[in-house]
Amino acid sequence: ETGVTQTPRHLVMGMTNKKSLKCEQHLGHNAMYWYKQSAKKPLELMFVYSLEERVENNSVPSRFSPECPNSSHLFLHLHTLQPEDSALYLCASSQDYAQATNTEAFFGQGTRLTVV
Amino acid sequence: GQQVMQIPQYQHVQEGEDFTTYCNSSTTLSNIQWYKQRPGGHPVFLIQLVKSGEVKKQKRLTFQFGEAKKNSSLHITATQTTDVGTYFCAGEAGTALIFGKGTTLSVSS
Repeated sequence: ETGVTQTPRHLVMGMTNKKSLKCEQHLGHNAMYWYKQSAKKPLELMFVYSLEERVENNSVPSRFSPECPNSSHLFLHLHTLQPEDSALYLCASSQDYAQATNTEAFFGQGTRLTVV
Repeated sequence: GQQVMQIPQYQHVQEGEDFTTYCNSSTTLSNIQWYKQRPGGHPVFLIQLVKSGEVKKQKRLTFQFGEAKKNSSLHITATQTTDVGTYFCAGEAGTALIFGKGTTLSVSS
């Protein structure tokens, strides 16, 4: 138990579906992240929120839409995905963002997404 | 953009042998972190190095941060089957962590 909970653990969706991934952290952290992990690529940072504001703008397709309603919750809304979007989606949190210390990431167990 | 390279990508050892993975950044880092991901699991934080030339030990694991703060290594002495998994380095330079591709370690008894 890392203090970061992700739901669902597994998700199969069609290309025309709309679904959302949920992440909740119970650690009182100020920063939350979405990472994508696929078989042949490193952990790819998708989105960063610090103090509930989106702070980094990586090149992520618009079919992925993040939402951070408060400091404990992070969502990833999915719509019209492609089969190549199938991957493990990991949420993480850290005490602070882009500081010399207090940035160790605590990961959730991930959502295994399959797009059919 | 900032890149973090990690080698080797895979390493197989006999139980009891040593293992080392290397990490290199294209830019100077404010800190470097190491994570371990067991098969089917999620990355778990191991350690953070902040100072130039820093060396830290955790039992059989030795972590080093280069003098120029652009490279790092993780060395495991006398590997055990419980060491299997993927070891990631992650560097920070004023942005969120950038992860290397990881080194996947397998150990046969």
